[in-house]
Amino acid sequence: GAGVSQSPSNKVTEKGKDVELRCDPISGHTALYWYRQSLGQGLEFLIYFQGNSAPDKSGLPSDRFSAERTGGSVSTLTIQRTQQEDSAVYLCASSRDHGSDAQYFGPGTRLLVL
Amino acid sequence: RKEVEQDPGPFNVPEGATVAFNCTYSNSASQSFFWYRQDCRKEPKLLMSVYSSGNEDGRFTAQLNRASQYISLLIRDSKLSDSATYLCAVCEGKSTFGDGTTLTVKP
Repeated sequence: GAGVSQSPSNKVTEKGKDVELRCDPISGHTALYWYRQSLGQGLEFLIYFQGNSAPDKSGLPSDRFSAERTGGSVSTLTIQRTQQEDSAVYLCASSRDHGSDAQYFGPGTRLLVL
Repeated sequence: RKEVEQDPGPFNVPEGATVAFNCTYSNSASQSFFWYRQDCRKEPKLLMSVYSSGNEDGRFTAQLNRASQYISLLIRDSKLSDSATYLCAVCEGKSTFGDGTTLTVKP
């Protein structure tokens, strides 16, 4: 079956521009997660959705970061006024339900801010 | 102190060796436990769940020690293709990932 998909796979942008990253979870998965990973580092939790609600936004690094999920499916992570330190791989994962189920990751979006 | 801690390694072992990784967690209410494998410049992939009674999948054995609050992953007869970073995940309401242990299997 289809796994988690993310687009674009790579994004190069200039400092100060806004970017939108998209995640399509596995069909039927109610929980969706966004993480950020810098080269050689661990996963940094950003936000998770249960359905269309985001009970935990504690990981968003600043108010330049926002995310939404519509129809209990696709999610978009938006970074406004990008900075060079935003450069990283942004990973999306989904699970059947939140809390105790395994997460399945998409291939990530590699973001480079020049 | 981090909620989930792993020895970052690297672990460098010869082919055929047995290697074990531990992952300690601080939340005693944690309910679910998993091991993931992450290859260089790839996303983490679920390797196996960790059950209370311990479980095995081929050359891989996962164990849970609730009393001491750690999980372990044992890899027997290491292959070159086992070279990767191994992440543990501990779940109680939300999943918390360790930073990973890097394994390099050498000929």
